[in-house]
Amino acid sequence: DAGVTQSPTHLIKTRGQQVTLRCSPKSGHDTVSWYQQALGQGPQFIFQYYEEEERQRGNFPDRFSGHQFPNYSSELNVNALLLGDSALYLCASSLTRHLSTDTQYFGPGTRLTVL
Amino acid sequence: DAKTTQPPSMDCAEGRAANLPCNHSTISGNEYVYWYRQIHSQGPQYIIHGLKNNETNEMASLIITEDRKSSTLILPHATLRDTAVYYCIVPPYAGKSTFGDGTTLTVKP
Repeated sequence: DAGVTQSPTHLIKTRGQQVTLRCSPKSGHDTVSWYQQALGQGPQFIFQYYEEEERQRGNFPDRFSGHQFPNYSSELNVNALLLGDSALYLCASSLTRHLSTDTQYFGPGTRLTVL
Repeated sequence: DAKTTQPPSMDCAEGRAANLPCNHSTISGNEYVYWYRQIHSQGPQYIIHGLKNNETNEMASLIITEDRKSSTLILPHATLRDTAVYYCIVPPYAGKSTFGDGTTLTVKP
């Protein structure tokens, strides 16, 4: 049973560039959430995708966007990168879109460094 | 949204029980308590969750006080591989600072 997978594992970009991160959910899961984790802090919710639509969004600017495909996989796009976007980006999948009662299964993350 | 408070760090001797406390005094009656842990540079891993009753699984036990204002995660026989940051959270996950900074547990030989 494959868990949540993410690619790439590491990425280095320069300020102003754009980046795309990818996530495949755990087998049987149809809901994907994305989190940003700065060094030394806990994960912060970015947004959630269910049925190919963004269902809920955290306090992140429009530079952060996403997409979910019919096979439930998802992408996170970040435009006009800032130094402060350097972080570990985590994808989590779940069985339902109920962010109040569901267990989140996290992937290993993508480490993004912006120079 | 209920907030949680955890000690920033704890130590535990290998082979002994690790008891990690969490305060969630503003929790509502239908809100669950979840525990996750994050080993260095990996994604968080689900451990256990509960509503009112104590819960046990192959990884840990969760003890919730009767008034539900606090809980304790118990790792019965801690090993070096249990060294990690442990997060006690009360969803929704989309809440501001839901994960907080957690408790860094260091298991020592």
